[in-house]
Amino acid sequence: AQSVTQLDSQVPVFEEAPVELRCNYSSSVSVYLFWYVQYPNQGLQLLLKYLSGSTLVKGINGFEAEFNKSQTSFHLRKPSVHISDTAEYFCAVSRPTGNQFYFGTGTSLTVIP
Amino acid sequence: DADVTQTPRNRITKTGKRIMLECSQTKGHDRMYWYRQDPGLGLRLIYYSFDVKDINKGEISDGYSVSRQAQAKFSLSLESAIPNQTALYFCATSDSSPGQGNKQYFGPGTRLTVT
Repeated sequence: AQSVTQLDSQVPVFEEAPVELRCNYSSSVSVYLFWYVQYPNQGLQLLLKYLSGSTLVKGINGFEAEFNKSQTSFHLRKPSVHISDTAEYFCAVSRPTGNQFYFGTGTSLTVIP
Repeated sequence: DADVTQTPRNRITKTGKRIMLECSQTKGHDRMYWYRQDPGLGLRLIYYSFDVKDINKGEISDGYSVSRQAQAKFSLSLESAIPNQTALYFCATSDSSPGQGNKQYFGPGTRLTVT
């Protein structure tokens, strides 16, 4: 079975500073990887996904993530955050032949003015 | 119009009551899911359905039941609500087409409080 670990439950960062939200997964087979964002009082929106190909994936709102197979990681990065990036971020995994999605416990990003 | 809708958006109910949460989608997807979100626990899968005749238990199905009335509708029931079922509930759909990675599309959520 898959599991997804988001090591940081809360990440405060000053506006215009860079940020990295960490995600590690456990799987012995190929996986698909996703980052979702949940703004306050809203549902989840897809930020970016890795299915295959280039290990550096660019998403919406200036976010990007890098798939590292050897370290089984898919960390999310943004070089300069805005107040509007304050939200909950979820890493998720699915398998090419699987039926389910597995979510991490989430990282709450707070951007400080 | 939203692709995945949930009703109600908020509900307060008493212990022991039966309650149904409804989900509708206009995306034409076969796959539908119900999750609950609790602080610090992320999203946990309750039930999922891959077509009208297919219902599967997820990670935390005890105390819940579902009905897939049509391709576009998937409802979640709490037969006898209890306070620890207080949570934010999300419906989701996914595209089973090859190469989509089972990407999930979420509804806006239903906040349920059981007193």
